[in-house]
Amino acid sequence: AQSVAQPEDQVNVAEGNPLTVKCTYSVSGNPYLFWYVQYPNRGLQFLLKYITGDNLVKGSYGFEAEFNKSQTSFHLKKPSALVSDSALYFCAVSLRDNTDKLIFGTGTRLQVFP
Amino acid sequence: DAGVTQSPTHLIKTRGQQVTLRCSPKSGHDTVSWYQQALGQGPQFIFQYYEEEERQRGNFPDRFSGHQFPNYSSELNVNALLLGDSALYLCASFPGTGGYTFGSGTRLTVV
Repeated sequence: AQSVAQPEDQVNVAEGNPLTVKCTYSVSGNPYLFWYVQYPNRGLQFLLKYITGDNLVKGSYGFEAEFNKSQTSFHLKKPSALVSDSALYFCAVSLRDNTDKLIFGTGTRLQVFP
Repeated sequence: DAGVTQSPTHLIKTRGQQVTLRCSPKSGHDTVSWYQQALGQGPQFIFQYYEEEERQRGNFPDRFSGHQFPNYSSELNVNALLLGDSALYLCASFPGTGGYTFGSGTRLTVV
């Protein structure tokens, strides 16, 4: 079965420090990979995606993600965290193309402390 | 430019009732998907509509049905509501350069 795993329910980091939110996937074929962020009482906001090409993808608000095919991972990173980055982050995968359904992980809550 | 608009934002229904949720996609978007996000969980795909037809469906019972109108807006209907249907229902429209654009959702509480 196709699945996405986010092994950490919560990640805590001090403002100004680098952050990493982990994501691994289990799918057949070549996946399309996404990161979304959700603020309280809001929908999901797109951060970045990987389809093909360079393994390091740059996205919105200074976030980036590294695709690692051998480890089937797509970790979200940011060099310097902001308090305003505190939110719920979801990794997702689609299987066929950019219009296919998204399979989401369970989410990781990022807490950035001042 | 308005994004994806969902209505209502919140509603409370009684077990056994029926509910209709509405979604207006972002301008220029012709594909609409619906997701259910239970508390503490990631969104789960319900179904997708394109050209007024259901193109894909997730693992949800027939109590969940939908419709897409010629103006690309969409409805999600849930019959015979169960307590377990309480969730945030998200509508997402496509295409977009970054993939789907999500609405803020409708929070459904079944009592």
